Amino acid sequence: GNSVTQMEGPVTLSEEAFLTINCTYTATGYPSLFWYVQYPGEGLQLLLKATKADDKGSNKGFEATYRKETTSFHLEKGSVQVSDSAVYFCALSMNYGGATNKLIFGTGTLLAVQP
Amino acid sequence: DAGVIQSPRHEVTEMGQEVTLRCKPISGHNSLFWYRQTMMRGLELLIYFNNNVPIDDSGMPEDRFSAKMPNASFSTLKIQPSEPRDSAVYFCASSWTSGKSSYNEQFFGPGTRLTVL
Repeated sequence: GNSVTQMEGPVTLSEEAFLTINCTYTATGYPSLFWYVQYPGEGLQLLLKATKADDKGSNKGFEATYRKETTSFHLEKGSVQVSDSAVYFCALSMNYGGATNKLIFGTGTLLAVQP
Repeated sequence: DAGVIQSPRHEVTEMGQEVTLRCKPISGHNSLFWYRQTMMRGLELLIYFNNNVPIDDSGMPEDRFSAKMPNASFSTLKIQPSEPRDSAVYFCASSWTSGKSSYNEQFFGPGTRLTVL
């Protein structure tokens, strides 16, 4: 079946450090890939997405590249801030022509950035 | 524009009681999703609707759970009877789903934190 695996947290970094959160997927077909972010006490928000191989999604300094050969979509940021502290979810969506928008999420990775 | 609205934000109830969670999706959206989030199981899709019709309810844990969408602007998730293991944060999300093969962003509500004693 289709699934998403992401690195377990928590990930604790100092401000301005480089961030990588690993995400790999298993899918029968060609999924679209996403990173969602959940700030404390809030619902999830779309951070970035990529819909085909070699696409790079980017937003707010975060980037992720859709790597078909390694079935990966790792999240990176060159310099994290305290305000980036949140839970990050990797997700995929399979499009079967009917576009269900159904998402399959990873378990989430807690990022804590210390000043 | 108002986002997805959920009520109540917090609910504390006793085991055996009926619980009803409510969701108002973003106006114009035609898909609605109910999720449950716990530390143990992470984020789980319970059920989703397209044009008010349930499309996939395979994530609903058992018969105690039921969901309805009587119109495009309102949905409920009901648990009867509730049990302590139902304690979780329940999220509602909505999106616009077209007939084309493309993904459209899901917008999440703030969630309802349910505690069953």
